[in-house]
Amino acid sequence: KAGVTQTPRYLIKTRGQQVTLSCSPISGHRSVSWYQQTPGQGLQFLFEYFSETQRNKGNFPGRFSGRQFSNSRSEMNVSTLELGDSALYLCASSLTSDLNYGYTFGSGTRLTVV
Amino acid sequence: GQNIDQPTEMTATEGAIVQINCTYQTSGFNGLFWYQQHAGEAPTFLSYNVLDGLEEKGRFSSFLSRSKGYSYLLLKELQMKDSASYLCAVRDGGYGGATNKLIFGTGTLLAVQP
Repeated sequence: KAGVTQTPRYLIKTRGQQVTLSCSPISGHRSVSWYQQTPGQGLQFLFEYFSETQRNKGNFPGRFSGRQFSNSRSEMNVSTLELGDSALYLCASSLTSDLNYGYTFGSGTRLTVV
Repeated sequence: GQNIDQPTEMTATEGAIVQINCTYQTSGFNGLFWYQQHAGEAPTFLSYNVLDGLEEKGRFSSFLSRSKGYSYLLLKELQMKDSASYLCAVRDGGYGGATNKLIFGTGTLLAVQP
């Protein structure tokens, strides 16, 4: 079966701009979580969506937002980009009813803010 | 607060056995995961422990002690391709377990030498 698909793979933006990243989960997975990965901080939880509802939010400023559509695809948006937002953004999907297969991560979007 | 500790780096020899430890202090607990991440790639699921004890999957085993807030990942018959970062992650607690928020350690970079 197809894995978790994230687009685009790479993105270069200028400070002050906004960006939208997309994540398509594995078919049948209703939960989508987003993470930011940086060399200094590791993987940090941004938010989780389940059945179009945000269930959890991490400690990130309001410039980071997201949504989920009825087909479980999710988008995250970062407004007013700062240099510190440069990171690998990963999304993960799961069948919450069976975590013996864990959470499956997409290949990520590498965002560079200049 | 939420804290997950792992050694930053480890080195081992091809064919040997290595144990990567993880200690955690989190406000909630709904399972512990181990992921492998090669440079520039997405994390891939290795194991999931929710009850105390040892889970074995081929060359990989993972152990959990909830009372001690402790887990380890054991890799046997090390191969060069096992050189990667190993991430310990705790699934946060929540009402009825309804959360897919993972709290990650900063990872252990394992170098396997010939």
